[in-house]
Amino acid sequence: GAVVSQHPSRVICKSGTSVKIECRSLDFQATTMFWYRQFPKQSLMLMATSNEGSKATYEQGVEKDKFLINHASLTLSTLTVTSAHPEDSSFYICSARGPPRAYEQYFGPGTRLTVT
Amino acid sequence: QKEVEQNSGPLSVPEGAIASLNCTYSDRGSQSFFWYRQYSGKSPELIMSIYSNGDKEDGRFTAQLNKASQYVSLLIRDSQPSDSATYLCALHYNTDKLIFGTGTRLQVFP
Repeated sequence: GAVVSQHPSRVICKSGTSVKIECRSLDFQATTMFWYRQFPKQSLMLMATSNEGSKATYEQGVEKDKFLINHASLTLSTLTVTSAHPEDSSFYICSARGPPRAYEQYFGPGTRLTVT
Repeated sequence: QKEVEQNSGPLSVPEGAIASLNCTYSDRGSQSFFWYRQYSGKSPELIMSIYSNGDKEDGRFTAQLNKASQYVSLLIRDSQPSDSATYLCALHYNTDKLIFGTGTRLQVFP
């Protein structure tokens, strides 16, 4: 149990375009989802937290107009990177949490974004 | 500022040995503790959660929690080369978020 999927696993896009990443909880209802970013050999960096049906809460320094997060259902959250630039190239990972496991977060496999 | 401290390693152990990974934290109010394993280029995988003082065993893994001393550890018995990864300690404190340590890189050599 507690499986989280992400799509796509890899994406290459041109500078200035937008990219949407989907995160799905497959066998539980994710009341809360999280989006992280990780640069090579660095720690996970939390970008935002979203609760189903509510606006996402962004961490300090994360541009909410650039990283659009939607958590429209208990099984799906999306992250849209708008007007992507090469410095947005990174490994984006979602995680999800939901009952009956109150505090455990389960991670998706991640999406490797390359902006050319 | 809630902090989680881990030695970055690498911690090198021979195959078959016990690997001991340690984590200390600064906030006494921390309630839930987790160990994640992250292989290079992959996302973290939850391997253990522990909520109360003492030991919790799951297969070759044992998590140990001591809230008075503010540390949590992970023991891996009969270490295998496939255990070579970065191990992340994380804690949950009264918010939605997990606070992660920077991870300890474990190398198990044959």
